[in-house]
Amino acid sequence: EVHLVESGGGLVRPGGSLRLSCAASGFTFSDHYMEWVRQAPRKGLEWVGRVRNKAKSYTTDYGASVKGRFSISRDDSKNSLYLQMNSLRTEDTAVYYCARGADSGSYFDYWGQGILVTVSS
Amino acid sequence: DIQMTQSPSSLSASVGDRVTITCRASQSITNSLNWYQQKPGKDPKLLIYAASSLQSGVPSRFSGSGSGTDFTLTISSLQPEDVASYYCQQSYSIPTFGQGTRLEIK
Repeated sequence: EVHLVESGGGLVRPGGSLRLSCAASGFTFSDHYMEWVRQAPRKGLEWVGRVRNKAKSYTTDYGASVKGRFSISRDDSKNSLYLQMNSLRTEDTAVYYCARGADSGSYFDYWGQGILVTVSS
Repeated sequence: DIQMTQSPSSLSASVGDRVTITCRASQSITNSLNWYQQKPGKDPKLLIYAASSLQSGVPSRFSGSGSGTDFTLTISSLQPEDVASYYCQQSYSIPTFGQGTRLEIK
C-alpha cells in the first residue's frame, strides 16, 4: 500500500526557513516524479513544484509564487522527498502535501495527509 | 500559465440528483485534465485522469468528459458521501488547478 507521510512543519517567522520531508513507502520511489502541492487556509489547491526521477536527471520545476525561494530535492536511497523553503512570507502559510506523480507527472495519484506551515511574527 | 476556471463555485443538490461541474482552460490542453475530490479536513483524492479515465477504486457514478478547453465532471446519482470540494487540474504545461467547486446536499 502506498504511503506518503510529511513532517517538519510548524511556526516560522517571516523571512525564515523551514525544511519539509516526505517519507514514501509501498512503491518504487525512484521510478516516480514527486510533487508538492499546498493549500492556504480556506483556499484552493496550488501546485508548488516537482522533482523528476533519475531517468530525467532529477530536474525540477516550480510554481511562479515560490520560484527562487523554494527548492525541491529527493534521496532515492531513503525513499524521501524534501522541500526547502527560504525567505518565507505570511502568504506561504498553508497545508503542504506531497504527492506521487504518475505517468511522468501527468496526474497525482497518491497524496500525503499534509503538514501545516504557519508563517507569522 | 494556463488558467483553469470552474463553475459553479458552489452547488447544492439532492441525493440521487445528476450533478455536473464544468472546467474551462484558457487555452487548449488536449485531454490533459484531471479531477480531484477533497473531503473536509482530508487530502485530495484522484477521481478522473486524462479527462475521462476513472481512477481505480472510484465509484462508476463519477465520469469525466471533454477535450480542448471545455471539460465536465458528472456524478450520475449523488450520494451523501460525495459532499466535498472538487478541483480540476491541467497537466498540459506547468500544473494549475481550478478554484474548486463546493458540493453540498440539499
